[in-house]
Amino acid sequence: AQKVTQAQTEISVVEKEDVTLDCVYETRDTTYYLFWYKQPPSGELVFLIRRNSFDEQNEISGRYSWNFQKSTSSFNFTITASQVVDSAVYFCALSEASGNQFYFGTGTSLTVIP
Amino acid sequence: NAGVTQTPKFQVLKTGQSMTLQCAQDMNHEYMSWYRQDPGMGLRLIHYSVGAGITDQGEVPNGYNVSRSTTEDFPLRLLSAAPSQTSVYFCASSYGEPSYNEQFFGPGTRLTVL
Repeated sequence: AQKVTQAQTEISVVEKEDVTLDCVYETRDTTYYLFWYKQPPSGELVFLIRRNSFDEQNEISGRYSWNFQKSTSSFNFTITASQVVDSAVYFCALSEASGNQFYFGTGTSLTVIP
Repeated sequence: NAGVTQTPKFQVLKTGQSMTLQCAQDMNHEYMSWYRQDPGMGLRLIHYSVGAGITDQGEVPNGYNVSRSTTEDFPLRLLSAAPSQTSVYFCASSYGEPSYNEQFFGPGTRLTVL
Protein backbone atom coordinates (compact mmCIF):
# COMPACT_ATOMS: atom_id res chain seq x y z
CA ALA A 1 0.00 0.00 0.00
CA GLN A 2 1.22 3.46 -0.80
CA LYS A 3 2.25 5.23 2.38
CA VAL A 4 2.19 8.67 0.80
CA THR A 5 -0.39 9.64 -1.78
CA GLN A 6 -0.21 12.72 -3.93
CA ALA A 7 -3.33 12.42 -6.03
CA GLN A 8 -2.62 15.50 -8.15
CA THR A 9 -0.22 14.43 -10.87
CA GLU A 10 -0.07 17.77 -12.67
CA ILE A 11 -1.37 21.23 -11.85
CA SER A 12 -1.25 24.38 -13.96
CA VAL A 13 -2.01 27.81 -12.57
CA VAL A 14 -1.65 31.33 -13.84
CA GLU A 15 0.92 33.48 -12.12
CA LYS A 16 -0.30 35.14 -8.90
CA GLU A 17 -2.93 32.49 -8.30
CA ASP A 18 -2.85 30.50 -5.08
CA VAL A 19 -2.38 26.75 -5.36
CA THR A 20 -2.63 23.89 -2.87
CA LEU A 21 -0.79 20.62 -3.26
CA ASP A 22 -2.37 17.70 -1.45
CA CYS A 23 -0.59 15.00 0.50
CA VAL A 24 -2.23 12.11 2.33
CA TYR A 25 -0.17 9.67 4.35
CA GLU A 26 -0.68 6.35 6.03
CA THR A 27 1.13 5.07 9.11
CA ARG A 28 0.48 3.15 12.29
CA ASP A 29 3.32 4.81 14.17
CA THR A 30 2.42 7.48 16.69
CA THR A 31 5.74 9.22 16.07
CA TYR A 32 6.50 10.11 12.50
CA TYR A 33 7.81 12.95 10.38
CA LEU A 34 6.50 14.58 7.25
CA PHE A 35 8.53 16.43 4.67
CA TRP A 36 8.11 18.41 1.49
CA TYR A 37 10.82 18.59 -1.16
CA LYS A 38 10.96 20.64 -4.34
CA GLN A 39 12.54 19.41 -7.56
CA PRO A 40 12.96 22.27 -10.05
CA PRO A 41 13.61 21.60 -13.75
CA SER A 42 17.35 21.51 -13.02
CA GLY A 43 16.73 18.21 -11.22
CA GLU A 44 18.12 18.67 -7.74
CA LEU A 45 15.98 18.00 -4.67
CA VAL A 46 15.52 20.89 -2.30
CA PHE A 47 14.27 20.45 1.25
CA LEU A 48 11.34 22.72 2.14
CA ILE A 49 9.94 21.66 5.50
CA ARG A 50 9.81 18.97 8.18
CA ARG A 51 7.00 18.44 10.69
CA ASN A 52 6.75 15.89 13.47
CA SER A 53 3.55 14.11 14.40
CA PHE A 54 3.20 15.93 17.69
CA ASP A 55 3.17 19.40 16.21
CA GLU A 56 -0.02 20.20 14.35
CA GLN A 57 0.58 23.91 14.19
CA ASN A 58 0.35 25.26 10.70
CA GLU A 59 3.51 26.87 9.42
CA ILE A 60 4.02 29.82 7.15
CA SER A 61 7.25 30.77 5.43
CA GLY A 62 6.87 33.69 3.09
CA ARG A 63 4.49 32.64 0.31
CA TYR A 64 4.56 29.01 1.48
CA SER A 65 2.28 27.52 4.10
CA TRP A 66 1.62 24.03 5.33
CA ASN A 67 -1.56 22.61 6.86
CA PHE A 68 -1.02 19.46 8.94
CA GLN A 69 -4.18 17.64 10.02
CA LYS A 70 -3.77 14.32 11.84
CA SER A 71 -7.52 13.72 11.80
CA THR A 72 -7.44 13.39 8.02
CA SER A 73 -3.80 12.21 7.73
CA SER A 74 -3.02 15.11 5.47
CA PHE A 75 -0.11 17.50 5.11
CA ASN A 76 -1.07 19.98 2.41
CA PHE A 77 1.16 22.65 0.94
CA THR A 78 -0.13 26.01 -0.28
CA ILE A 79 1.75 28.51 -2.41
CA THR A 80 0.25 31.99 -2.28
CA ALA A 81 0.60 34.35 -5.23
CA SER A 82 2.44 31.77 -7.30
CA GLN A 83 5.42 32.76 -9.43
CA VAL A 84 7.01 31.19 -12.49
CA VAL A 85 9.98 30.15 -10.33
CA ASP A 86 7.61 27.92 -8.36
CA SER A 87 7.29 25.64 -11.38
CA ALA A 88 8.69 22.31 -10.20
CA VAL A 89 7.80 18.84 -9.06
CA TYR A 90 6.91 18.77 -5.38
CA PHE A 91 7.28 15.64 -3.31
CA CYS A 92 5.72 14.84 0.02
CA ALA A 93 7.53 12.25 2.16
CA LEU A 94 7.00 10.31 5.37
CA SER A 95 9.41 8.68 7.75
CA GLU A 96 8.49 6.66 10.78
CA ALA A 97 10.40 6.78 14.04
CA SER A 98 10.35 2.99 14.15
CA GLY A 99 12.30 2.65 10.90
CA ASN A 100 15.13 4.04 8.81
CA GLN A 101 13.30 4.60 5.57
CA PHE A 102 11.81 7.53 3.78
CA TYR A 103 8.64 7.04 1.78
CA PHE A 104 8.08 9.50 -1.03
CA GLY A 105 4.86 10.26 -2.81
CA THR A 106 4.78 10.16 -6.58
CA GLY A 107 5.05 13.93 -6.81
CA THR A 108 2.93 16.76 -8.16
CA SER A 109 4.20 18.66 -11.17
CA LEU A 110 3.31 22.32 -10.85
CA THR A 111 3.45 24.66 -13.83
CA VAL A 112 2.99 28.36 -13.25
CA ILE A 113 2.03 30.14 -16.45
CA PRO A 114 3.17 33.75 -16.80
CA ASN B 1 31.69 21.87 1.74
CA ALA B 2 30.89 20.07 -1.50
CA GLY B 3 27.87 18.39 0.10
CA VAL B 4 26.79 15.19 -1.65
CA THR B 5 28.54 14.47 -4.92
CA GLN B 6 27.69 11.82 -7.50
CA THR B 7 29.59 10.57 -10.50
CA PRO B 8 28.99 10.16 -13.35
CA LYS B 9 26.17 12.53 -14.25
CA PHE B 10 25.17 10.52 -17.30
CA GLN B 11 25.86 6.92 -18.29
CA VAL B 12 24.77 4.62 -21.08
CA LEU B 13 25.21 0.88 -20.62
CA LYS B 14 24.44 -2.18 -22.67
CA THR B 15 22.38 -4.97 -21.17
CA GLY B 16 24.57 -7.22 -19.06
CA GLN B 17 27.30 -4.68 -18.40
CA SER B 18 28.29 -3.81 -14.86
CA MET B 19 29.13 -0.46 -13.38
CA THR B 20 29.42 1.45 -10.12
CA LEU B 21 27.71 4.72 -9.36
CA GLN B 22 29.80 6.75 -6.97
CA CYS B 23 28.48 8.81 -4.08
CA ALA B 24 30.47 10.81 -1.56
CA GLN B 25 29.63 13.30 1.17
CA ASP B 26 31.89 15.55 3.21
CA MET B 27 29.47 16.42 6.01
CA ASN B 28 30.37 13.47 8.26
CA HIS B 29 26.84 12.14 7.96
CA GLU B 30 26.19 8.68 9.32
CA TYR B 31 23.16 7.88 7.21
CA MET B 32 23.38 7.48 3.43
CA SER B 33 20.93 6.10 0.93
CA TRP B 34 20.29 5.45 -2.74
CA TYR B 35 17.02 6.17 -4.53
CA ARG B 36 15.83 5.71 -8.06
CA GLN B 37 13.36 8.08 -9.65
CA ASP B 38 11.08 6.86 -12.41
CA PRO B 39 8.26 8.76 -14.13
CA GLY B 40 5.04 8.50 -12.15
CA MET B 41 6.74 6.50 -9.38
CA GLY B 42 8.39 9.16 -7.28
CA LEU B 43 11.58 8.24 -5.48
CA ARG B 44 12.00 4.68 -4.28
CA LEU B 45 14.62 3.58 -1.79
CA ILE B 46 17.12 1.01 -3.08
CA HIS B 47 19.60 0.55 -0.22
CA TYR B 48 20.64 2.52 2.78
CA SER B 49 23.39 2.58 5.39
CA VAL B 50 23.28 3.82 8.98
CA GLY B 51 27.05 3.89 9.31
CA ALA B 52 30.30 2.46 8.01
CA GLY B 53 30.07 -1.31 7.68
CA ILE B 54 26.27 -1.39 7.96
CA THR B 55 23.91 -1.58 5.01
CA ASP B 56 20.32 -2.67 4.53
CA GLN B 57 17.78 -3.09 1.78
CA GLY B 58 15.12 -0.62 0.88
CA GLU B 59 12.00 -0.98 -1.20
CA VAL B 60 13.61 -2.01 -4.52
CA PRO B 61 17.00 -3.66 -3.84
CA ASN B 62 17.05 -6.36 -6.52
CA GLY B 63 19.85 -6.00 -9.05
CA TYR B 64 21.88 -3.62 -6.89
CA ASN B 65 24.68 -4.07 -4.36
CA VAL B 66 26.14 -1.58 -1.93
CA SER B 67 28.96 -1.40 0.58
CA ARG B 68 30.02 1.22 3.10
CA SER B 69 33.69 0.95 3.96
CA THR B 70 34.03 4.60 5.00
CA THR B 71 31.70 7.23 6.37
CA GLU B 72 32.21 9.37 3.26
CA ASP B 73 31.54 6.93 0.42
CA PHE B 74 28.54 4.82 -0.51
CA PRO B 75 28.88 3.29 -4.00
CA LEU B 76 26.02 1.56 -5.77
CA ARG B 77 26.89 -1.39 -8.00
CA LEU B 78 24.90 -2.78 -10.88
CA LEU B 79 26.22 -6.28 -11.48
CA SER B 80 24.39 -7.02 -14.74
CA ALA B 81 22.48 -4.03 -16.06
CA ALA B 82 18.97 -4.49 -17.42
CA PRO B 83 16.74 -2.04 -19.34
CA SER B 84 14.45 -1.93 -16.29
CA GLN B 85 17.26 -0.17 -14.45
CA THR B 86 17.07 2.83 -16.73
CA SER B 87 16.36 5.61 -14.27
CA VAL B 88 17.70 8.65 -12.49
CA TYR B 89 19.62 7.69 -9.36
CA PHE B 90 19.95 9.94 -6.35
CA CYS B 91 22.24 9.52 -3.40
CA ALA B 92 21.33 11.21 -0.11
CA SER B 93 22.83 11.65 3.32
CA SER B 94 21.66 12.90 6.69
CA TYR B 95 23.12 13.48 10.10
CA GLY B 96 21.79 10.81 12.41
CA GLU B 97 18.50 9.09 11.91
CA PRO B 98 16.72 10.05 8.72
CA SER B 99 13.35 9.83 10.43
CA TYR B 100 13.61 13.38 11.68
CA ASN B 101 16.65 14.78 9.95
CA GLU B 102 16.70 16.54 6.62
CA GLN B 103 18.24 14.49 3.86
CA PHE B 104 20.71 16.18 1.53
CA PHE B 105 20.57 14.93 -2.03
CA GLY B 106 23.23 14.69 -4.69
CA PRO B 107 22.64 16.03 -8.20
CA GLY B 108 21.66 12.63 -9.60
CA THR B 109 22.98 10.20 -12.20
CA ARG B 110 20.93 9.59 -15.32
CA LEU B 111 21.44 5.98 -16.40
CA THR B 112 20.23 4.46 -19.64
CA VAL B 113 20.48 0.72 -20.25
CA LEU B 114 20.08 -0.34 -23.86
